[in-house]
Amino acid sequence: DADVTQTPRNRITKTGKRIMLECSQTKGHDRMYWYRQDPGLGLRLIYYSFDVKDINKGEISDGYSVSRQAQAKFSLSLESAIPNQTALYFCATSDGQTPVTGELFFGEGSRLTVL
Amino acid sequence: QQQVKQSPQSLIVQKGGISIINCAYENTAFDYFPWYQQFPGKGPALLIAIRPDVSEKKEGRFTISFNKSAKQFSLHIMDSQPGDSATYFCAASLYGQNFVFGPGTRLSVLP
Repeated sequence: DADVTQTPRNRITKTGKRIMLECSQTKGHDRMYWYRQDPGLGLRLIYYSFDVKDINKGEISDGYSVSRQAQAKFSLSLESAIPNQTALYFCATSDGQTPVTGELFFGEGSRLTVL
Repeated sequence: QQQVKQSPQSLIVQKGGISIINCAYENTAFDYFPWYQQFPGKGPALLIAIRPDVSEKKEGRFTISFNKSAKQFSLHIMDSQPGDSATYFCAASLYGQNFVFGPGTRLSVLP
């Protein structure tokens, strides 16, 4: 089983619908991240969390919200999806105790299409 | 100041050739510069990384060259193989937090 698991892997939805992308990890890391990947733009940070009670906005948080339900679970929500949120979304983790390379471990991605 | 620029956007190399991807950054406070490799349908994975106190790091066929004064760093892939065909992202971070990624380079190595 993958260390960082994202569900669903693919989702097609309509404008205005609420969508949740879920991430769970078995690496025991305290830090979790949500990134968005678009062609030609690389990976952009949406939200990050350094522990269960810590939530921080990233570069492109507008239109998104997150919930850190447990150390191992971090979900991303789109309250009212719009077509320009069509993208590939990645969850990642890192070990905050390791000085300090901060290597990111990514899931396999969730491809979201908003019609 | 948080941006990381990366070029070229795409690169085609013959098997056995050298692949070179370049990145530039603005924030001189960055202290960690990794390269991530992404295969189709997979998430990015760390390939090699460098800190600004060294000018070069080599791991097998992969080498990072770092020029602190120019605020540039590059990835060299020697003896490129078809299995190296992937998208490569450079990145920069401060204290291992809040990574800033370049836009990516799609490398194709022809057999």
